[in-house]
Amino acid sequence: GDSVTQMEGPVTLSEEAFLTINCTYTATGYPSLFWYVQYPGEGLQLLLKATKADDKGSNKGFEATYRKETTSFHLEKGSVQVSDSAVYFCALGQAGTALIFGKGTTLSVSS
Amino acid sequence: EADIYQTPRYLVIGTGKKITLECSQTMGHDKMYWYQQDPGMELHLIHYSYGVNSTEKGDLSSESTVSRIRTEHFPLTLESARPSHTSQYLCASSEGGRTEAFFGQGTRLTVV
Repeated sequence: GDSVTQMEGPVTLSEEAFLTINCTYTATGYPSLFWYVQYPGEGLQLLLKATKADDKGSNKGFEATYRKETTSFHLEKGSVQVSDSAVYFCALGQAGTALIFGKGTTLSVSS
Repeated sequence: EADIYQTPRYLVIGTGKKITLECSQTMGHDKMYWYQQDPGMELHLIHYSYGVNSTEKGDLSSESTVSRIRTEHFPLTLESARPSHTSQYLCASSEGGRTEAFFGQGTRLTVV
């Protein structure tokens, strides 16, 4: 079945450092790919998405490119802030079915 | 901004009590979901519904039950709470053939 694998955390960075969180997937067909973010004590918020190969999703300085050849959707940000500290989830969606999530990666940014 | 609401946000309850976690959405979405989030933050799908009077169990076995009598409402019930039910419960909804889901803020349940 479909699945998502993302790098284990926690990831600890200093402010203004470069961030990469790796995500790879296994799927039949042509899924959509997502990154969600969960701040402490909150639900999940959609951060960005890509619906087809080579699409780049971007939001709030975060980016991820849908790479079909490597089945990857890595999350990147050029300069992280303390306010980016959160748990990040990579997810895969096929039309009409529930999202499949990775296990989440905790990011901690210190000043 | 997603319009999906969960109540209560926090609940501490004694073993053996019956509880209902509420989830409502005002977006007219036909699909709704319940996820249980473990302390390691991993999400597990426990129930889903693709429309009124349609409910299915998810990937993780759960002692909870759900109902979908109205499109906008998807409550989750535990008939007899136990400490093993202590967790964060997240409700979500999505529209038709679209894949992205919108989440509520969650209910953190503690059973003592």
